[in-house]
Amino acid sequence: EAGVVQSPRYKIIEKKQPVAFWCNPISGHNTLYWYRQNLGQGPELLIRYENEEAVDDSQLPKDRFSAERLKGVDSTLKIQPAELGDSAVYLCASSSPSLAVYGTQYFGPGTRLLVL
Amino acid sequence: AQTVTQSQPEMSVQEAETVTLSCTYDTSESDYYLFWYKQPPSRQMILVIRQEAYKQQNATENRFSVNFQKAAKSFSLKISDSQLGDAAMYFCAYRTLFGNEKLTFGTGTRLTIIP
Repeated sequence: EAGVVQSPRYKIIEKKQPVAFWCNPISGHNTLYWYRQNLGQGPELLIRYENEEAVDDSQLPKDRFSAERLKGVDSTLKIQPAELGDSAVYLCASSSPSLAVYGTQYFGPGTRLLVL
Repeated sequence: AQTVTQSQPEMSVQEAETVTLSCTYDTSESDYYLFWYKQPPSRQMILVIRQEAYKQQNATENRFSVNFQKAAKSFSLKISDSQLGDAAMYFCAYRTLFGNEKLTFGTGTRLTIIP
């Protein structure tokens, strides 16, 4: 079974430029999460999707961040314009409704963003 | 709000020895999940072990086991027969059983394996 796929793995941009990250969850996982991990800290949730519906976006800075999951499968997270403080690792995770693994989130390799 | 505390920023252990990483959490809920994730330099978060709070038996996965003390709100990870590949950041995480499904992470413990 393929894991969570993310691209790109690394991105370097100048401040005020736009950037987008893509995530494809594990097949059959209806819940998708975007986390941001700052240096030396644990990940923090930005947004959670149940199928195509964003059910928790309370921590998403909506003035510059946006996300979509149009067909309830893959998702895109966008930042426009990027700021220096957005430099971080952006992690995508997915989870299954299966009782056997209920509650467990599986993570992708992340995208490391550096804003200059 | 739930909080997760990892009081050991760094730990080291000799190869083949045993090490225990500490984690405490704060919650008013009675049912929840706890996890340990490993994050090597590649930055991918890899699930190590999971514990359901309603289960009294401590979870084990090969060389990894936990000591879950619900009353003390403690959830430590024991790694036996440490191997060089165990070197990584280890994060403890909490998730409610129902409702808000986000994971709340601690700040991590960096584990070094000494050959």
